Amino acid sequence: DTAVSQTPKYLVTQMGNDKSIKCEQNLGHDTMYWYKQDSKKFLKIMFSYNNKELIINETVPNRFSPKSPDKAHLNLHINSLELGDSAVYFCASSQDRRTWEQFFGPGTRLTVL
Amino acid sequence: AQSVTQLDSQVPVFEEAPVELRCNYSSSVSVYLFWYVQYPNQGLQLLLKYLSGSTLVKGINGFEAEFNKSQTSFHLRKPSVHISDTAEYFCAVSENDYKLSFGAGTTVTVRA
Repeated sequence: DTAVSQTPKYLVTQMGNDKSIKCEQNLGHDTMYWYKQDSKKFLKIMFSYNNKELIINETVPNRFSPKSPDKAHLNLHINSLELGDSAVYFCASSQDRRTWEQFFGPGTRLTVL
Repeated sequence: AQSVTQLDSQVPVFEEAPVELRCNYSSSVSVYLFWYVQYPNQGLQLLLKYLSGSTLVKGINGFEAEFNKSQTSFHLRKPSVHISDTAEYFCAVSENDYKLSFGAGTTVTVRA
């Protein structure tokens, strides 16, 4: 059983398009996260939701908008895609806001052409 | 705010040899420390964590790490590596502000 799943696994799109990445966790966790991993493998948090409430919003362009319809899902919508958005996006979850163990999804590799 | 420095970007090592991955952090308050592993084309997986108590922490797959408060370090070690340990290793720190800050990662390549 997959604990944290993401779709799609690969996403190739043109500049200027709008795309979404979906994340679901079946662990019963309260907290979910979005991370961006760049080409140098540097991993940086973007957003975090706790029980559908936004608790972390790092310096991310307004073109990125997370949405949490329920505590098992956290989607990421990106408007007007730019070349610099190309990266691997990881979803993660943790039992609660205490972050000592986060469970990561397999990642979504986004390529903007 | 905390920051994490992984001193080695790449570590090649022969099978059955020991390996040590270095991690230093900076923080003005008490921290929680973690090592995560990322196998090729996969998400991150927790190897071990230090929250409090004994400074020597044992994790999965034979890894251990030692917290040294005076040197602000949390180095990861394994006495004998396998080919399957080839992966990217990330040190991370949290000040319990609901965020993990990751280092830049260390690529470990195990050769036969």
